[in-house]
Amino acid sequence: GESVGLHLPTLSVQEGDNSIINCAYSNSASDYFIWYKQESGKGPQFIIDIRSNMDKRQGQRVTVLLNKTVKHLSLQIAATQPGDSAVYFCAENIQGAQKLVFGQGTRLTINP
Amino acid sequence: DAGITQSPRHKVTETGTPVTLRCHQTENHRYMYWYRQDPGHGLRLIHYSYGVKDTDKGEVSDGYSVSRSKTEDFLLTLESATSSQTSVYFCAISESQGGHEQYFGPGTRLTVT
Repeated sequence: GESVGLHLPTLSVQEGDNSIINCAYSNSASDYFIWYKQESGKGPQFIIDIRSNMDKRQGQRVTVLLNKTVKHLSLQIAATQPGDSAVYFCAENIQGAQKLVFGQGTRLTINP
Repeated sequence: DAGITQSPRHKVTETGTPVTLRCHQTENHRYMYWYRQDPGHGLRLIHYSYGVKDTDKGEVSDGYSVSRSKTEDFLLTLESATSSQTSVYFCAISESQGGHEQYFGPGTRLTVT
């Protein structure tokens, strides 16, 4: 997948609206998922994580939803602000493995 | 950046020269990782460490070696740099087994000419 590059999926939202960023995973043995935010020129920043025994987890202005039936993960950002502009990507850990596998990123752009 | 520093932050080197990148943490986390990030490929794991002197390969380890002689430092070495190793390199740390909750450093931009 692509997390940074010319062909990155993009999402544009109005400031103040809610944003929903989606991620699909393929391995049913994955038991842990994590969302990162990456601003230009910086390292990925941890946002929120969720284990496979949960369907939903909330943080400050963010919610992660996990649908194991269709292997889908989403990140919801409430009341999007200009500072939320970044590339967002998900990662999964396959049970028993010592590493994360990173998925495609989505570039979120906030329109004033 | 969760007590993680990387040095140098930028480097330009010539093909065939050796290069060593350093990752230093002040969190005393057990696990450390080296990734490279490229357009069209995203973040790919090069090597990781699960303790002092304990390391293992990731998905793109060819041309790279690592060493971890103490908890706080994880070194990535390109023995003979090639242009295909031009990339942004990130170090990450975790205290959790299974690669959970990794925190990333600021990155090193390496250009091989």
